Amino acid sequence: TQLLEQSPQFLSIQEGENLTVYCNSSSVFSSLQWYRQEPGEGPVLLVTVVTGGEVKKLKRLTFQFGDARKDSSLHITAAQPGDTGLYLCAGGGRSQGNLIFGKGTKLSVKP
Amino acid sequence: GAVVSQHPSRVICKSGTSVKIECRSLDFQATTMFWYRQFPKQSLMLMATSNEGSKATYEQGVEKDKFLINHASLTLSTLTVTSAHPEDSSFYICSARDRLHRAKNIQYFGAGTRLSVL
Repeated sequence: TQLLEQSPQFLSIQEGENLTVYCNSSSVFSSLQWYRQEPGEGPVLLVTVVTGGEVKKLKRLTFQFGDARKDSSLHITAAQPGDTGLYLCAGGGRSQGNLIFGKGTKLSVKP
Repeated sequence: GAVVSQHPSRVICKSGTSVKIECRSLDFQATTMFWYRQFPKQSLMLMATSNEGSKATYEQGVEKDKFLINHASLTLSTLTVTSAHPEDSSFYICSARDRLHRAKNIQYFGAGTRLSVL
């Protein structure tokens, strides 16, 4: 069974601080996506990584895919209150292309 | 970017009634759509995979007669919650996989439907 362990589950920080969210698995994934979800809305795709060791930057967000394609991280620099939300990592499942989701990281950035 | 429209966004119904939720890919073709259920403060749980022109594949523990899925075209999938009961109250989210980006398994999500069964 493919599983994605996401940590931390909750994170409450002050504006301007840096943070890192981790997504780990014992399985190899062909691709991994990061989503951000706000209450009452669907997840919004932030990035897709497909190559081992790949690093992608989206403004203050930096995403990294592990060399073995079993883990990924999301680093936010100088967090802003607008970054508050639920961050989900998801890897491509083996069967029918479904996504395996991590449990999510609920981030709260206080002004 | 790709847009997935999910309707309705919120529905309140009486116990025993059926509710239909629509999921449309607006600017791309989706041979595969997925239906998820999300409980408060939890992650998404895959319910079923919907393939255009064929029967849906349900995850273990999901009753196919309770949650009817129809994927009649490349841009529309529907989920019908039959004889809804209060325990079916939840946030239902659909996603659609762009046929052109199947290799990367990129999925775009609808805004979700909040179902409340009284």
